[in-house]
Amino acid sequence: AQSVTQLGSHVSVSEGALVLLRCNYSSSVPPYLFWYVQYPNQGLQLLLKYTSAATLVKGINGFEAEFKKSETSFHLTKPSAHMSDAAEYFCAVRGGADGLTFGKGTHLIIQP
Amino acid sequence: KAGVTQTPRYLIKTRGQQVTLSCSPISGHRSVSWYQQTPGQGLQFLFEYFSETQRNKGNFPGRFSGRQFSNSRSEMNVSTLELGDSALYLCASSLERTDNNSPLHFGNGTRLTVT
Repeated sequence: AQSVTQLGSHVSVSEGALVLLRCNYSSSVPPYLFWYVQYPNQGLQLLLKYTSAATLVKGINGFEAEFKKSETSFHLTKPSAHMSDAAEYFCAVRGGADGLTFGKGTHLIIQP
Repeated sequence: KAGVTQTPRYLIKTRGQQVTLSCSPISGHRSVSWYQQTPGQGLQFLFEYFSETQRNKGNFPGRFSGRQFSNSRSEMNVSTLELGDSALYLCASSLERTDNNSPLHFGNGTRLTVT
């Protein structure tokens, strides 16, 4: 079985500041890890996925995430926040034959 | 290439009724998964279909069922609706079965309200 914990249901940053969204996972097998973003009244859009080819994964819209096995973490970062980044972000893990297991989500607020 | 299409976008039903939601995957995608999203429980996996066969099922009662057609389109059915079934139902498609790391592509969902 696998699980995901996202620290902080709400994160507020100023425009231009660093964005850091935390995700810790638990998986009994080598995990597949994903970050998705959801804008209001829309479905989820894939930001990036961990494929084991590299521990630092680059995604769309300037986001990246680093896989740290020793810390069982897959935190999402962006060097400079933009107003358009305001959305709900979900970390997800797949560790077997079940569907994706999602975290509870982090609502990112961008202050002007 | 068109994305995942879900119909209808909004639905209002009464307790005890049944409902059918539809999902058309991205052309060429053979796997379709369904998720329920609620404020309290978050995103929960319902089931996955691949080549018209249900491959995986989440922890939901038998009132929740689905099927996939030969053209990969999928329908989800909920019978004997309860107030707690009010949620956003998301459909996602992928090229292959999702246990091989194929990313999911989500539709915009069907917002079901049960009164």
